[in-house]
Amino acid sequence: QKEVEQDPGPLSVPEGAIVSLNCTYSNSAFQYFMWYRQYSRKGPELLMYTYSSGNKEDGRFTAQVDKSSKYISLFIRDSQPSDSATYLCAMDYNQGGKLIFGQGTELSVKP
Amino acid sequence: DAGVTQSPTHLIKTRGQQVTLRCSPKSGHDTVSWYQQALGQGPQFIFQYYEEEERQRGNFPDRFSGHQFPNYSSELNVNALLLGDSALYLCASSLGQGRTTEAFFGQGTRLTVV
Repeated sequence: QKEVEQDPGPLSVPEGAIVSLNCTYSNSAFQYFMWYRQYSRKGPELLMYTYSSGNKEDGRFTAQVDKSSKYISLFIRDSQPSDSATYLCAMDYNQGGKLIFGQGTELSVKP
Repeated sequence: DAGVTQSPTHLIKTRGQQVTLRCSPKSGHDTVSWYQQALGQGPQFIFQYYEEEERQRGNFPDRFSGHQFPNYSSELNVNALLLGDSALYLCASSLGQGRTTEAFFGQGTRLTVV
């Protein structure tokens, strides 16, 4: 079993839709939870990170962490075609420098 | 301010050969981590360099080795290339050994082994 599981998609939604992206994990020692966006042929770009449980909002993006269920989510409101990319969740135990990534979910937002 | 730069952007090598990939960290950063991203997969941690020493290593064979120079730039070397080494190799830099949440990634070197 992988430490971090993420539905690879692909996920296709119409412009303006609310998108929900999710990851589950098995190791309760994870403390830092991150979401990256990766455009085709580019490196990952950090969108948001959350420490421990709770919610964090940044513009159209909201990250949620439920440590009791070992489940994290990223919500994108009013999705735009420019949001079309692969979204990667990543986790770390203690900011030690070793990120554990999910497989990535490919998102396509259609105009 | 230049971000993380990697070279070359693309590379084709023959099975059994050796390859060296290079990374210049973001200005002000002193820690470099390397990841391997196979097609359709998330990045996998290879190792991290800080103060010119390998500090952490992922589950990769000894064919993968690295180096960090006094100017904080880094190299990833892979010997005896296998077809399965074909992937996007990503470099991430940060300030300090931790600070994973402040790591910046380069756009990667795409290695194809034929």
